[in-house]
Amino acid sequence: ELKVEQNPLFLSMQEGKNYTIYCNYSTTSDRLYWYRQDPGKSLESLFVLLSNGAVKQEGRLMASLDTKARLSTLHITAAVHDLSATYFCAGGWLVFGKGTKLTVNP
Amino acid sequence: DAGVTQSPTHLIKTRGQQVTLRCSPISGHKSVSWYQQVLGQGPQFIFQYYEKEERGRGNFPDRFSARQFPNYSSELNVNALLLGDSALYLCASSPRLGGNTEAFFGQGTRLTVV
Repeated sequence: ELKVEQNPLFLSMQEGKNYTIYCNYSTTSDRLYWYRQDPGKSLESLFVLLSNGAVKQEGRLMASLDTKARLSTLHITAAVHDLSATYFCAGGWLVFGKGTKLTVNP
Repeated sequence: DAGVTQSPTHLIKTRGQQVTLRCSPISGHKSVSWYQQVLGQGPQFIFQYYEKEERGRGNFPDRFSARQFPNYSSELNVNALLLGDSALYLCASSPRLGGNTEAFFGQGTRLTVV
């Protein structure tokens, strides 16, 4: 049974700083997803990672996948307030982590 | 193009009642999945349907059931509601199973059981 763990669960950072969210999964998964959720809203798809070494970037967010280490990362570059949200990773179809609540402070 | 639409958006029910939630997938998408998201937690998989057949079921009691119609829309039914069923119920549609399939989520139905 696939299990997905994210850390940290809570992240408070200052604007302009860089940080990484980690997503570990327990068994082989042929794909890894990242989603964003704003309070009271639904899930917005950010990235779909399909192969070992896959790297995708959109704006200040970059996601990568290492299937051998069963690890995906979501790197935030020069954070801005608009990135404040909860970020979920998910594997398989679809097993979600608990989410990382990101707060970007001025 | 319309995205995934769910109805109703909010619902209040009493313990013991039954509820039906509805989902219309993106046009051309044949797979619909249902998730339960309790406040402060990640979504939990309930069901997946593809071409009107159940293709996956999560660890939920038999009080939960679903079906998919010929137009690929779907309903989620929950019988004998418990307080713990209060959650955001999310529907996701995707064009097919497996591969590089991406799931697109609706805005959800917030169910409150009192």
